[in-house]
Amino acid sequence: DAKTTQPPSMDCAEGRAANLPCNHSTISGNEYVYWYRQIHSQGPQYIIHGLKNNETNEMASLIITEDRKSSTLILPHATLRDTAVYYCIVRVFGTGGFKTIFGAGTRLFVKA
Amino acid sequence: DGGITQSPKYLFRKEGQNVTLSCEQNLNHDAMYWYRQDPGQGLRLIYYSQIVNDFQKGDIAEGYSVSREKKESFPLTVTSAQKNPTAFYLCASSSGLGGNTEAFFGQGTRLTVV
Repeated sequence: DAKTTQPPSMDCAEGRAANLPCNHSTISGNEYVYWYRQIHSQGPQYIIHGLKNNETNEMASLIITEDRKSSTLILPHATLRDTAVYYCIVRVFGTGGFKTIFGAGTRLFVKA
Repeated sequence: DGGITQSPKYLFRKEGQNVTLSCEQNLNHDAMYWYRQDPGQGLRLIYYSQIVNDFQKGDIAEGYSVSREKKESFPLTVTSAQKNPTAFYLCASSSGLGGNTEAFFGQGTRLTVV
């Protein structure tokens, strides 16, 4: 079962910040939030992950709410090449260890 | 270059035949995963393995089989029991057994059964 909920699609103007929301209301205390993106017919690309603190790297920022029930991925200056499907996932601990479960994702369209 | 290699990129098979998809990683990762993706859909977990000689069923394991005889290799066999095998198959790996380890993906194998 997917443990995250995302809007199916979003638009963003080139050069503007893209803010992608994700709900993970059933997340457990030891489960991390991850973000990946997938450009058509390629393997998903890792973007960023976090537990409870906000995180930033060269690609994006991740803002996690204090109750950890939702998060937002921020692409600070979206470009046309950022058009992709963005997946918000949690790593779930089960039999045999952690497994990574993907939901349906958000299709981001960056427009010129 | 370190990474995950899936081969072949495109694969065609006749209905009723078993087919094996290759996945090799040189990242020294303990965990490996197989996902299936259908057009316009997200990824669904088929099997995963945390260590050599051990693997667990994911959400859609029926009609598939795997082996993990070597740390770097995790082949997936799509058997004739899989009712709708045409799909995009993705392999991934991650280091360690904790939740704080990202997974890296291969470029996928597109399987078409005719």
